[in-house]
Amino acid sequence: DIQMTQSPSSLSASLGDRVTITCRASQSIHSYLNWYQQRPGKAPNLLIYAASSLRSGVPSRFTGSGSGTDFTLTISSLQPDDFATYFCQQSYSSPRTFGQGTKVEIK
Amino acid sequence: QVQLVESGGGLVTPGGSLRLSCAASGFTFSDYYMTWIRQSPGKGLEWVAYINGASNTIYHADSVKGRFAISRDNAKNSLYLHMNNLRVDDTAVYYCAREETNWFDPWGQGTLVTVSS
Repeated sequence: DIQMTQSPSSLSASLGDRVTITCRASQSIHSYLNWYQQRPGKAPNLLIYAASSLRSGVPSRFTGSGSGTDFTLTISSLQPDDFATYFCQQSYSSPRTFGQGTKVEIK
Repeated sequence: QVQLVESGGGLVTPGGSLRLSCAASGFTFSDYYMTWIRQSPGKGLEWVAYINGASNTIYHADSVKGRFAISRDNAKNSLYLHMNNLRVDDTAVYYCAREETNWFDPWGQGTLVTVSS
């Protein structure tokens, strides 16, 4: 199975901050990498697919980049709705696997 | 709009059984792979099983193989997860999700399964 490792596990940031979350795969997954946002008590929602494509309706302050084994999710200017947990997920091979999550909290 | 609604969760004793259901609406259900994913505090998000539209491609995670079975009824726009011989570590929120090409979108709201004596 492909292991997905996110860093950091949590971070504290202020409104307007630029935030970067990293996801590393245990082997090359090309661009088969997706990002999800999960607010407390809710289901995950797709943000970014295929490493860098923004899902329709997702604000443009979210960007994804990377290929191979190293990927990044960036929030350019943190907004109140962005305080949540973010997960990466590989779709290169089965079983699909997820990172352990990065919780973004208010400083 | 596209919507997925799970049901069937609850409290069950170890060794027991449950059937989860997922009602789909707002899209042509038979055109899509469908997936079950679970989330527990200890294990995070874990993909459980998927099934294609024709039910002739099915995959289960090793952790549930032989105990769980995914199925679907396209006439009823419904996805199922039959869970047998449940264990304490199967305790989780279970989500159904549509597999859109190579990603999961959308997800249902989830149904909680608690396995405890």
